[in-house]
Amino acid sequence: KNEVEQSPQNLTAQEGEFITINCSYSVGISALHWLQQHPGGGIVSLFMLSSGKKKHGRLIATINIQEKHSSLHITASHPRDSAVYICAVAQGAQKLVFGQGTRLTINP
Amino acid sequence: DAGVIQSPRHEVTEMGQEVTLRCKPISGHNSLFWYRQTMMRGLELLIYFNNNVPIDDSGMPEDRFSAKMPNASFSTLKIQPSEPRDSAVYFCASRPQSRSGNTIYFGEGSWLTVV
Repeated sequence: KNEVEQSPQNLTAQEGEFITINCSYSVGISALHWLQQHPGGGIVSLFMLSSGKKKHGRLIATINIQEKHSSLHITASHPRDSAVYICAVAQGAQKLVFGQGTRLTINP
Repeated sequence: DAGVIQSPRHEVTEMGQEVTLRCKPISGHNSLFWYRQTMMRGLELLIYFNNNVPIDDSGMPEDRFSAKMPNASFSTLKIQPSEPRDSAVYFCASRPQSRSGNTIYFGEGSWLTVV
């Protein structure tokens, strides 16, 4: 079993839909990252959180430390949100362990 | 700031050849990471440096791989000799300070194909 599991692996939705991507982990962490990777490969850090909830524009990330679970939500999804979303947990100060990613496709 | 700069962006090489990937971290960042991404295994940490010193190289797959950071603004990842199974995207990333509370910044990646 992977230390970081994401679901779903693939998600296709229509423009405007509310999107939820889940991440569960089985190890102790100091922080959790949500990353976005667009076609062409560049990786951008969306959120880093260790408790509670963070919001940036239409994106919301939550984490429940007791349940070892985090969710990434996208409101009013748009085709430009199409990307691979990767959950990564920080073990200690530096080491990141990555989930396999969720490929999101938003159709117009 | 220009962000983390990697070169080359794309490289195709023949099996047995030496490959050198280069990275310039964001100025002022004192942690640098090399990651590899493949379809089968996703993103994996190969090695990371703190203040130019290698801290954890347990992810380096074998002796064919080596990494150096001669100064705060430059790092290399070398594969010698290269093999087809080394084909992957290699990402360099940097981060300010040695604390988990700081965002990590990735380069655009070096796409390596070994034929």
